[in-house]
Amino acid sequence: RKEVEQDPGPFNVPEGATVAFNCTYSNSASQSFFWYRQDCRKEPKLLMSVYSSGNEDGRFTAQLNRASQYISLLIRDSKLSDSATYLCVVHLNFGNEKLTFGTGTRLTIIP
Amino acid sequence: GAGVSQSPSNKVTEKGKDVELRCDPISGHTALYWYRQSLGQGLEFLIYFQGNSAPDKSGLPSDRFSAERTGGSVSTLTIQRTQQEDSAVYLCASRGIGRGRSGELFFGEGSRLTVL
Repeated sequence: RKEVEQDPGPFNVPEGATVAFNCTYSNSASQSFFWYRQDCRKEPKLLMSVYSSGNEDGRFTAQLNRASQYISLLIRDSKLSDSATYLCVVHLNFGNEKLTFGTGTRLTIIP
Repeated sequence: GAGVSQSPSNKVTEKGKDVELRCDPISGHTALYWYRQSLGQGLEFLIYFQGNSAPDKSGLPSDRFSAERTGGSVSTLTIQRTQQEDSAVYLCASRGIGRGRSGELFFGEGSRLTVL
């Protein structure tokens, strides 16, 4: 089983819709979680960290479910500019600074 | 500069040649990572440096790959006897101290390697 798994998509979603995708991780000892965004032929950039209690940043909501070992990202009122690949990132623990990336979920917002 | 700088941005080489890729991290960042990304694929961890600690080399795919970080700053990734399967974008990232957003990875624009 991969350490971090994501549905590669593509998700083709009309503008203004709500879209959500999940990411599962295999190591229950994982401590920190992040969503990164990568535009085509660009470098990844941090979108948001994922906190245990869930967190929101504008139209974006991230949640963590430790019992089922997954994190989710919800995008409300999607914009054309949200089209990108969304990468799930897992940090094992504070003694091991390796960050493991999922393969990404490609999202295309359709006008 | 303010961001992570990588060079060269593009490198085309012949199979069997050695290549060196350079990364200049954000000043003051103690952690430096190398990843590679093949076309349409996710990021594959290669190696991680943290301060003066021994690097985590667990992601290096073969002994043809090596990396060093001099003076806790600039890093060089070396690929010896390149093979066609080494073709990818090699991404360097640096990270400051702390968690949450303060522990954010900042990526360079990558070095695109093509092995003919």
